[in-house]
Amino acid sequence: DIQLTQSPSFLSASVGDRVTITCRASQGISSYLAWYQQKPGKAPKLLIYAASTLQSGVPSRFSGSGSGTEFTLTISSLQPEDFATYYCQQLNSYPFTFGPGTKVDIK
Amino acid sequence: QVQLVQSGAEVKKPGASVKVSCKASGYTFTSYDINWVRQATGQGLEWMGWMNPNSGNTGYAQKFQGRVTMTRNTSISTAYMELSSLRSEDTAVYYCARGGGSGYTFDYWGQGTLVTVSS
Repeated sequence: DIQLTQSPSFLSASVGDRVTITCRASQGISSYLAWYQQKPGKAPKLLIYAASTLQSGVPSRFSGSGSGTEFTLTISSLQPEDFATYYCQQLNSYPFTFGPGTKVDIK
Repeated sequence: QVQLVQSGAEVKKPGASVKVSCKASGYTFTSYDINWVRQATGQGLEWMGWMNPNSGNTGYAQKFQGRVTMTRNTSISTAYMELSSLRSEDTAVYYCARGGGSGYTFDYWGQGTLVTVSS
């Protein structure tokens, strides 16, 4: 199985900050990576797919990059509604594993 | 608009089975896979498996092989996930998610179904 790690696991930031989350895969997954945002008590929401494609309706302050084994999710200017947990997921091969998550909290 | 609406919360005893439904609307049900993901309280997301509603083909994570069955009823655009031999560690929120598209990703999710396993 492909393992995903995320760093940091917890991030404290202020509104307006630029935030970067890293996801690393245990083996190459090309660009088959997605990013999700999850708020407490809610289902995950797709933000980015194919490593860098912004899902329709997602604000342009979210961006993704990377390929192979290293990927990043960047929020260019953190907004109050962005405080949440972020997960990466690989869709290169079954099982479709998720990273452990990065919680973004208010500083 | 695309919607996945799941059945309500369940409480089961250890050793029992649970069957969660996921009703799709707003798109052609047979054109996209349905995946199932679970999340224990305070924990991360765990992928359980997928089903192609058109063919009925399925694929399960090794961890759930032999205990999970994913089926569908295309006449009512509904997918089902049945988990048997429940134990306390299966207490979690179970989500269905539509899989597909150019990048194959989970673009729409159900609201989640809490399954509690307790004696």
